[in-house]
Amino acid sequence: EAQVTQNPRYLITVTGKKLTVTCSQNMNHEYMSWYRQDPGLGLRQIYYSMNVEVTDKGDVPEGYKVSRKEKRNFPLILESPSPNQTSLYFCASSLYGTVREGEQYFGPGTRLTVT
Amino acid sequence: AQSVTQPDIHITVSEGASLELRCNYSYGATPYLFWYVQSPGQGLQLLLKYFSGDTLVQGIKGFEAEFKRSQSSFNLRKPSVHWSDAAEYFCAVASFYNNNDMRFGAGTRLTVKP
Repeated sequence: EAQVTQNPRYLITVTGKKLTVTCSQNMNHEYMSWYRQDPGLGLRQIYYSMNVEVTDKGDVPEGYKVSRKEKRNFPLILESPSPNQTSLYFCASSLYGTVREGEQYFGPGTRLTVT
Repeated sequence: AQSVTQPDIHITVSEGASLELRCNYSYGATPYLFWYVQSPGQGLQLLLKYFSGDTLVQGIKGFEAEFKRSQSSFNLRKPSVHWSDAAEYFCAVASFYNNNDMRFGAGTRLTVKP
């Protein structure tokens, strides 16, 4: 089944403790992206990747890191999480290296709470 | 910079009634327009998209949307709502010139009364 998977689905952590949220897609998509969703703000893009070893900042990249060492995986790293990073996170992918040409497929989301 | 406004935070309709969710965008040229639906506990699913051509687009689950350039709007409609349509709906716009620049509205939560 074609899908985007994220792990973990739920995570509660403390301020400053490094964490990684994994994202994997099995559709051989070139483009992958991370969003955060906050009430009243919709989805905001954190980072995106047009292809392996190519990543770039979205609208809200501060406090986050990403890497794209292989096509299928695009982990999101929080080196020193803070409470303002409490949010619902979505990973997405699309076939081509462009948003407009390809439908984005979204993962199920990761709900992160930082205390 | 482009932006998307969904004026209605929450809408309640009765099952079987018609539905219209509003979306307005701000952009200098014709953008690419999308509607996504998010069911509780799920990721986003694409309902429909508009790139060019016929301004009335059909999507999945019986939804349609109409692009009106003069009003900078892309409203989503459904003639008869089902209880399973209860979800959050997001309008999104992507730039013709910067194809990664996709902006989402804040969302409209739809409640369906029996």
